[in-house]
Amino acid sequence: SSELTQDPAVSVALGQTVRITCQGDSLRTCYASWYQQKPGQAPVLVIYGKNNRPSGTPDRFSGSNSGNTASLTITGAQAEDEADYYCYSRDRSANRWVFGGGTKLTVL
Amino acid sequence: QVQLVQSGAEMKKPGASVKVSCKASGYTFTRHYMHWVRQAPGQGLEWMGLINPTGRNTNYAQKFQGRVTMTRDTSTSTDYMELSSLRSDDTAVYYCARDISDATSSWWLDPWGQGTLVTVSS
Repeated sequence: SSELTQDPAVSVALGQTVRITCQGDSLRTCYASWYQQKPGQAPVLVIYGKNNRPSGTPDRFSGSNSGNTASLTITGAQAEDEADYYCYSRDRSANRWVFGGGTKLTVL
Repeated sequence: QVQLVQSGAEMKKPGASVKVSCKASGYTFTRHYMHWVRQAPGQGLEWMGLINPTGRNTNYAQKFQGRVTMTRDTSTSTDYMELSSLRSDDTAVYYCARDISDATSSWWLDPWGQGTLVTVSS
């Protein structure tokens, strides 16, 4: 089976750059998408495909992929970016979809 | 605008069943799969399964096989997720989310419903 692994917590100083990573075998054949979730709210899509932002996602958010790792980068983190971030992808071998365990981002 | 509106919070006893609805608007309902995802208190997101655009096919996570049923009413653009034999660890917020995919091996969920809290307690 293919799981997606994320660091449980990451912190970044206000205005600095942070990268959140997601590892899993399924990422060798499928792109990850990324979701931001703030307390008490539903998740919101922030990055999909190779590196695409839905309208409404600030351009400080970007995505990248290499081998079995997908990354979400926030360039110039803002206080409002403090949230939980989840990666998501399809596991073709098992015909299922999976989420990473989530990364709690703290902006200091 | 594209919107998914879910039914309200439910409180159930262990062993009972719950049926959550998800009404879609703002897009062609029969062109998209719908996924269901749950989140237990303080925990991460868990994929439960999906239903195809016509409603004729489903794909459930192995963990929920035999307990979950996803159905679709195309006449009202509404999806349903029913979970049976409820246990206390089924207490969670349940979300529906529209599937979008392209030809580049990419799948994403957008938008999400607002979530439905299901509490299982005796």
